[in-house]
Amino acid sequence: GAGVSQSPRYKVAKRGQDVALRCDPISGHVSLFWYQQALGQGPEFLTYFQNEAQLDKSGLPSDRFFAERPEGSVSTLKIQRTQQEDSAVYLCASSLGTAVRGYTFGSGTRLTVV
Amino acid sequence: GQQLNQSPQSMFIQEGEDVSMNCTSSSIFNTWLWYKQDPGEGPVLLIALYKAGELTSNGRLTAQFGITRKDSFLNISASIPSDVGIYFCAGQLRDTGNQFYFGTGTSLTVIP
Repeated sequence: GAGVSQSPRYKVAKRGQDVALRCDPISGHVSLFWYQQALGQGPEFLTYFQNEAQLDKSGLPSDRFFAERPEGSVSTLKIQRTQQEDSAVYLCASSLGTAVRGYTFGSGTRLTVV
Repeated sequence: GQQLNQSPQSMFIQEGEDVSMNCTSSSIFNTWLWYKQDPGEGPVLLIALYKAGELTSNGRLTAQFGITRKDSFLNISASIPSDVGIYFCAGQLRDTGNQFYFGTGTSLTVIP
């Protein structure tokens, strides 16, 4: 596609519910990133894929967070047993090769845990 | 994680004025990026900087990679209403591969 597409745009989850957030990167982009952006803050790195390989997951805040990219294209970020502190915008970004020249971000999924 | 401090936190300026903002860190960065984020959207890349002292322009925007490698600056000349938004700096450490650390943001309001 022309840009990075994320769905859903908005998600309201009850505390304890599992959620799955989807990212469709730009076609042909091998690198994919997930960031978490709390209200009024800058994005914070969660995890990085090169094709289907998850090369860095150092930013995932707990073992309730899990990301996958099984075929090297679409990625899913899953959060189990959501907590209120998980409320944030989850941004996906992709880049053609390495990220040195910067990423292209999607519009994000705003997750609200009630 | 790394702390990138942006200043000012917010700015209210008249249309046509020039704008300056900066980003500082206690760590040495390999690459600096500047992004703009509109409400409800993801950040959009404005300028990328790769060498200490580098000065790069993109239209009315000019950014510099500080010579200490610990800071970066963004200037906007002759501001217009569509410049409204939140500006983020992002830095990449030499040893952290593809991860970028983002600053706290500068919110810009342009008064027509």
